[in-house]
Amino acid sequence: DQQVKQNSPSLSVQEGRISILNCDYTNSMFDYFLWYKKYPAEGPTFLISISSIKDKNEDGRFTVFLNKSAKHLSLHIVPSQPGDSAVYFCAASAKNYGQNFVFGPGTRLSVLP
Amino acid sequence: EPEVTQTPSHQVTQMGQEVILRCVPISNHLYFYWYRQILGQKVEFLVSFYNNEISEKSEIFDDQFSVERPDGSNFTLKIRSTKLEDSAMYFCASRINIPQGYTFGSGTRLTVV
Repeated sequence: DQQVKQNSPSLSVQEGRISILNCDYTNSMFDYFLWYKKYPAEGPTFLISISSIKDKNEDGRFTVFLNKSAKHLSLHIVPSQPGDSAVYFCAASAKNYGQNFVFGPGTRLSVLP
Repeated sequence: EPEVTQTPSHQVTQMGQEVILRCVPISNHLYFYWYRQILGQKVEFLVSFYNNEISEKSEIFDDQFSVERPDGSNFTLKIRSTKLEDSAMYFCASRINIPQGYTFGSGTRLTVV
């Protein structure tokens, strides 16, 4: 049962352009969402979060958008840099589930110079 | 910046042997977690630990798994009798409170042969 889906396993973007990573969820109880970045042989690194009371959160080059009615969130990276090349995981949690996170399968982003 | 430290970075063990994976969470964090990622698959929740006891565990966390916080700084995951399918990256994570995101360690790659 995939509660958190990232339907694009990979994405390639030219340096300087916008990267848009998408995430869909099925559980309407999810109320807190995170994006993590992961380099090979390293642990996931927290990027940005959003709670269900907001529809947008911005931190530097990273913006997360939440569309609760569509159960969809997206991560925008602009401008994209080669160092952004990594696997990006969307994760969701709900108070009713002990606040443990359910991770999506990840999207591998390649930013081409 | 404070880090979650995991040791060893790579462990090879024979099937049926016991392994202990070690983690030192960030010192003022209160919630501790183990996640794992089988190669090519998504990050999966194993167990959460708060106030010196397990607060939640997944169906993956069966009787062969146990966690301990023996001395107030270390947080260990023990696998009693390893199976081939236990081969994965095991990530420890901690957070100061809910609903902040986790800080992950860099992981221990467990290979069961």
